[in-house]
Amino acid sequence: DAMVIQNPRYQVTQFGKPVTLSCSQTLNHNVMYWYQQKSSQAPKLLFHYYDKDFNNEADTPDNFQSRRPNTSFCFLDIRSPGLGDAAMYLCATSRDLGLAREQYFGPGTRLTVT
Amino acid sequence: TQLLEQSPQFLSIQEGENLTVYCNSSSVFSSLQWYRQEPGEGPVLLVTVVTGGEVKKLKRLTFQFGDARKDSSLHITAAQPGDTGLYLCAGPPTGGFQKLVFGTGTRLLVSP
Repeated sequence: DAMVIQNPRYQVTQFGKPVTLSCSQTLNHNVMYWYQQKSSQAPKLLFHYYDKDFNNEADTPDNFQSRRPNTSFCFLDIRSPGLGDAAMYLCATSRDLGLAREQYFGPGTRLTVT
Repeated sequence: TQLLEQSPQFLSIQEGENLTVYCNSSSVFSSLQWYRQEPGEGPVLLVTVVTGGEVKKLKRLTFQFGDARKDSSLHITAAQPGDTGLYLCAGPPTGGFQKLVFGTGTRLLVSP
């Protein structure tokens, strides 16, 4: 089945220690997103790629970076995690067709910062 | 900035009860989507409504898009514990290209 895969599902890192979260998709969608979600809140968009074009949200801290080496893979790098970065990180994909912009989410990575 | 406000924020009911969740905006949306997110998982798309006044049914779930395309509702009949989760409405903002505006979310707990 076509899907969005996130690894790992759970990640523990130390305060200030760089961490990378990964996302892959078999849907062949050209748009990929990274969201941060804290308990029971709506997902907050960090940035997205339209093909290779990177689009950063204005309020995304510089501590968060992303890479998309090819259509299938996208990475979220947190350069110096703080305690406030503990959250669920969601990857999503979308086709750039039509107006609905329906998004397909991965299962998420739960990040703990100690 | 286009906002989507959901109500109620939290709903705790018994199995078998009916409920309605509302998603409201002062802005017009070309379409609205509903997602359900189970604890510890990513959101899953339930439905997209695109025409004002449209009603879509998905088993026990009924979705409605307002005539003016500024609001939507989700009605669940005879709720089951498996319906427990965070319900999110979302829509593409005007000129927002590939992005979605997400609603504030409604957390539903259905007890046996």
